[in-house]
Amino acid sequence: DQQVKQNSPSLSVQEGRISILNCDYTNSMFDYFLWYKKYPAEGPTFLISISSIKDKNEDGRFTVFLNKSAKHLSLHIVPSQPGDSAVYFCAAQAAGNKLTFGGGTRVLVKP
Amino acid sequence: GAGVSQSPRYKVAKRGQDVALRCDPISGHVSLFWYQQALGQGPEFLTYFQNEAQLDKSGLPSDRFFAERPEGSVSTLKIQRTQQEDSAVYLCASSTEGGTGPYEQYFGPGTRLTVT
Repeated sequence: DQQVKQNSPSLSVQEGRISILNCDYTNSMFDYFLWYKKYPAEGPTFLISISSIKDKNEDGRFTVFLNKSAKHLSLHIVPSQPGDSAVYFCAAQAAGNKLTFGGGTRVLVKP
Repeated sequence: GAGVSQSPRYKVAKRGQDVALRCDPISGHVSLFWYQQALGQGPEFLTYFQNEAQLDKSGLPSDRFFAERPEGSVSTLKIQRTQQEDSAVYLCASSTEGGTGPYEQYFGPGTRLTVT
């Protein structure tokens, strides 16, 4: 029973264009959502988060949108840069504590 | 300051051997988490400590898995009688606060365990 799903295993985008990563969840108790970025042989690095009381959070080139009624969130990266090539994980928390992760989306930004 | 560190980075064990994986969290972080990441999948929760207290061990897959954090800082994940299905990357994460969140978790580089 996957409570957090990232349905696109991979995404290829041209440098300078927008990358859009999607994530769906099923557990309505989730109240905090996070995006992590992972390079090979490294641990996940925190990127951006959003509380369930908001519908948008922006940090530089990264914006996360939350649609609670659809149980859907997305991460927008604009403009995409070659250094953004990595695996991105969506994660969710219910009342703090443990994270439930999606399966990840591998992003390749082509120069 | 220093991030979360884990050792060893790589471990090869023969089936049936016991292994111990170490995690040094960020200094002063109250909460510590262990996750297991199988190849091509997202991390999955194993267990959670608040200081030295193990508050949630619902993700431990069997009684062969045991975790401790006796002094509220360094933690060890022990796997007894390893099986091939235990092959994975074991990630440790820490966060500043205890209790209900939300709080970002900071991850170590992981220990890649291969059971042959």
